[in-house]
Amino acid sequence: EAQVTQNPRYLITVTGKKLTVTCSQNMNHEYMSWYRQDPGLGLRQIYYSMNVEVTDKGDVPEGYKVSRKEKRNFPLILESPSPNQTSLYFCASSPINTGELFFGEGSRLTVL
Amino acid sequence: AQKVTQAQTEISVVEKEDVTLDCVYETRDTTYYLFWYKQPPSGELVFLIRRNSFDEQNEISGRYSWNFQKSTSSFNFTITASQVVDSAVYFCALSEAEDDKIIFGKGTRLHILP
Repeated sequence: EAQVTQNPRYLITVTGKKLTVTCSQNMNHEYMSWYRQDPGLGLRQIYYSMNVEVTDKGDVPEGYKVSRKEKRNFPLILESPSPNQTSLYFCASSPINTGELFFGEGSRLTVL
Repeated sequence: AQKVTQAQTEISVVEKEDVTLDCVYETRDTTYYLFWYKQPPSGELVFLIRRNSFDEQNEISGRYSWNFQKSTSSFNFTITASQVVDSAVYFCALSEAEDDKIIFGKGTRLHILP
């Protein structure tokens, strides 16, 4: 089954404790992206990647890191999480940025 | 810079009524793509439609239709004979050919009342 898998789905952590949200897709898509969804703000792009070893900042990259060492994986790293990073995070992929994004189920992160 | 505006934050209609969700975009690029996504109460995000800037034909898919007008920079979405299952948050999005970002509007929450 074609899918984008994110883990963990839910996480409560404390300020400053590094965490990684994994994202994996099995559709051989070139394009992958991370979004955060906050009430009243819609979906905002954090980082995106056009292919292996190619990553670019979206609109809200501060406090986040990503890597694309393999085509299927695109982890989101919060080196020192802060409460303003409490949000619902979505990973998505698409074939060469057609925009037909396939989304993961979302990861709800709470930073205390 | 690219921008997507969905001015309607929340809409409520009674079942079987028609409803139109507005989307206005800004772009300096001549080649771009417009999208609509649906997020039902269960939370997943589902792709509905993609339109490129050179194709202004309206699209109809069952009860759903889309009206793309470059003259007004709008890409509106109409649901005909709405049903309770149409209740969701709907997002409009824009991607420019010159930029790999995909920018979303803030979404419109649609309530279909039985």
